[in-house]
Order: sequence, then C-alpha cells, then structure tokens
Amino acid sequence: KQEVTQIPAALSVPEGENLVLNCSFTDSAIYNLQWFRQDPGKGLTSLLLIQSSQREQTSGRLNASLDKSSGRSTLYIAASQPGDSATYLCAVRHGGSQGNLIFGKGTKLSVKP
Amino acid sequence: KAGVTQTPRYLIKTRGQQVTLSCSPISGHRSVSWYQQTPGQGLQFLFEYFSETQRNKGNFPGRFSGRQFSNSRSEMNVSTLELGDSALYLCASSFGGTGNNYGYTFGSGTRLTVV
Repeated sequence: KQEVTQIPAALSVPEGENLVLNCSFTDSAIYNLQWFRQDPGKGLTSLLLIQSSQREQTSGRLNASLDKSSGRSTLYIAASQPGDSATYLCAVRHGGSQGNLIFGKGTKLSVKP
Repeated sequence: KAGVTQTPRYLIKTRGQQVTLSCSPISGHRSVSWYQQTPGQGLQFLFEYFSETQRNKGNFPGRFSGRQFSNSRSEMNVSTLELGDSALYLCASSFGGTGNNYGYTFGSGTRLTVV
C-alpha cells in the first residue's frame, strides 16, 4: 500500500532563507509526483509536476527533485518570502496514468518578516 | 481559461440529511476526481469519473456517490449525513486519457459542516 510522508510537519524560518521540504513514498512504482500549495481554507494550487522519468523541475524560486529508487522528493524554495507561508503538499500518482493521487499530510511553512 | 468551479462554497446540513456538491472542470478536461480533506485524515481520495463512468473508487462507504454528465460536469452526493462527514470537499480535473502526463487542477472546495 502506497504511503506518503512529509517531514517536517511544520517549519518556521526568517525571510530570505533557502529551505527544503521533504517527501517520501513507500512504493517506487509511481507515475508522477506533484507538489501543491494550500492557503488556509482554500483549494490546492499546483506548483510543480515531475514525471517518473524526470529528475527535477524548476519554476521561478522553486525546484523539485525526484529520486524514485529511494522513494524521495524534495521541494527547494530559494530566498523565502512571507507570501510563501502556506501548507505544502506532496502527492504521488499511483496505479499508472489512470491512477489517483495519494497525498502526504503536508508541511506547514511560516516565513517571518 | 476558466479554472475548476465548485459550488456551493459553504454548506451547513443536519445529521441524517443528504447533500449534493457540484464541480465543473476545466474546458476540455474529461476526468473529475473528488477528495475529502479533514484535519485528522488529510486528503483522501473518494472517486474519479472519466467520460461519465466511474474509473476509480476510494475506501468510503456507499453513502458517498457521484456521477458525471456528458459535458464532464460532476456531482457528488452524500446521503444520511454524519457529523464525521464535516470536511472540505475538493474536486480536481485532468485530461484523463490513456498516457495522461498532465497533473491535476483543483477547485477551491466546498466546506461542508454537519450539525
């Protein structure tokens, strides 16, 4: 059974710091992995999508890496800003191209001015 | 390009009642998935519809059901509501075809409170 774990559960950093969020999954047979951001009481905003054949994806200050064999992904946020404060969720697509997403519990990030 | 639209945004229902939630996917997307989010369990998969057929189903009781229309809009129904059904219900749309390399786009959710 696929399980997704995100560590840490919460993180508080000063503005300007570079940071790494971690995601691990138990079954390496994933189709792709997607990082989302969720603001309080809101829906999910997709940040980055990494296919199983890819090693990393970049968008602006965000970089996500994927190591399928070890069951790990990291989300790197450069030069953090207060506006980055949110919960970050990692989800793996399990069961092929028609499988559903399995989510971690998220990392709640707080960036202090 | 319009995003994923969920209605209503908020609902308050009484135990034992039933409720219907609606989701309109991004134009051209044929797959609609539903997820339940609670503080304790996080995000859990309910079911997915593709071309009006249920393609995947999570581990939820039969009180949770859904359907998809020919225009890809989807509805989710919960009958005989329980207090534990209080949650944020999120809908996600995707192209959904074989070899689909695209990710999911989520709506803003419907906040259901059962009293």
